Amino acid sequence: EAGVTQFPSHSVIEKGQTVTLRCDPISGHDNLYWYRRVMGKEIKFLLHFVKESKQDESGMPNNRFLAERTGGTYSTLKVQPAELEDSGVYFCASSQRGGGDLKNIQYFGAGTRLSVL
Amino acid sequence: GNSVTQMEGPVTLSEEAFLTINCTYTATGYPSLFWYVQYPGEGLQLLLKATKADDKGSNKGFEATYRKETTSFHLEKGSVQVSDSAVYFCALRSWSPAGGTSYGKLTFGQGTILTVHP
Repeated sequence: EAGVTQFPSHSVIEKGQTVTLRCDPISGHDNLYWYRRVMGKEIKFLLHFVKESKQDESGMPNNRFLAERTGGTYSTLKVQPAELEDSGVYFCASSQRGGGDLKNIQYFGAGTRLSVL
Repeated sequence: GNSVTQMEGPVTLSEEAFLTINCTYTATGYPSLFWYVQYPGEGLQLLLKATKADDKGSNKGFEATYRKETTSFHLEKGSVQVSDSAVYFCALRSWSPAGGTSYGKLTFGQGTILTVHP
C-alpha cells in the first residue's frame, strides 16, 4: 500500500512568486492534515480536512496560504505571494475516518522543503 | 493551550549507550502521547504511543511511559545502534470532552537530533 506522497520534494523560489505543494494521502483516508516546520523549530499544525471540507484551519498563518482538497482526494497548498519567512518543510499527514485510536494514527509524507530566496 | 517541551539536542552517543530524551507537556482535555521519528530523507514515522495515564508504549527497543503526575513521556532505549540516528519528536493529541474543532491535530515538540557513533 502506498504511503502519503508529497510533491515536489524540494522547491526553490524567489520572494513574490507562487508555489503549489501537493499531497496525496493514503487511499481511503478521509482526514488530511498540513503541518509546517520552520528553521528547525517545532512542527506546527496548519489545517485539517475531513474529505473535502476544512475541519480546522486555525493554524494557517495568513491569507497568502490557500489549501484545497477537491473531491476529497489529493490536496494542494498554495502560497501566493511567497515571503522569506515561508521557508521551511511542509508536511502532509492522513488518517482514517471515525473514532477509535488506531484509526486516528496520522501517517506522514516525507515533506516538501520550501526555500524562498 | 497545548504545548510540548523536549530536551534540547543534539544528542551524541556511542553505540550500545543508554538513551533518554525528556519530554514534558501541558494539555487541555485528555491527551494521547506519541513519539515520532524522522530518519534522514524520510517522513515522520510513528515510533510509539500511549493513550492514558500509566500506559507504556514500546517499539524497536524504545519505551516511554505516560506519567500524568509529572506530565511527562520520556523516551528511553537501553542500547542504541548507529541505525537509530534520526530526529525524534514528542507529540500530543488532545481530545476535548466538550468537542470542538481541535480534535485530531498533533502538537509537537521542537525535535531532538540523535547521532550514534560506532
